[in-house]
Amino acid sequence: QVQLQESGPGLVKPSQTLSLTCTVSGGSISSGDYYWSWIRQPPGKGLEWIGYIYYSGSTYYNPSLKSRVTISVDTSKNQFSLKLSSVTAADTAVYYCATPGYWGQGTLVTVSS
Amino acid sequence: DIQMTQSPSSLSASVGDRVTITCQASQDISNYLNWYQQKPGKAPKLLIYDASNLETGVPSRFSGSGSGTDFTFTISSLQPEDIATYYCQQYDNLLSFGGGTKVEIK
Repeated sequence: QVQLQESGPGLVKPSQTLSLTCTVSGGSISSGDYYWSWIRQPPGKGLEWIGYIYYSGSTYYNPSLKSRVTISVDTSKNQFSLKLSSVTAADTAVYYCATPGYWGQGTLVTVSS
Repeated sequence: DIQMTQSPSSLSASVGDRVTITCQASQDISNYLNWYQQKPGKAPKLLIYDASNLETGVPSRFSGSGSGTDFTFTISSLQPEDIATYYCQQYDNLLSFGGGTKVEIK
């Protein structure tokens, strides 16, 4: 059973870079042709896809966030990561990592000074 | 990018009622559509994949249909534990979600 766990700071200052890591257990990030996603949900709002990465390193981003997003993968650690630059209060959200059929529990990131 | 229009945004129904949610894609996505259930404070849970396939362990009162641009999600007999927000998601071209439907008990 694949499990995903998000980790990273819960508070980020405006204009700084949000950085999160997703650790995958119960399966290899390198096995199969699956994509590994980041998805977020602002408080009380709907789900927004941020982007995903294949283990090969190919990345695909939401056009509305593309200029600020970088997703990377570390197959040796079975992890993939999210960086979102120049954050504002509008980036406050629960951030989820996911792969088809499996989601992490989510982590709340608040952007505030 | 593909826009997903989900309706209604909320509904109230009685236990035992049949509940239907629709999702319309801005372009043909074949059957590349998932339906998720999300309860407060929890991650979304996959219920239906490929538009009409029930995920393992999901009760048979949940079903999905459609292809192309128009899709339907149905709860045949609403139960108290079905109170949640439901989302459609396309995966034909990148990923995108519908706006969600909050289901409440009348």
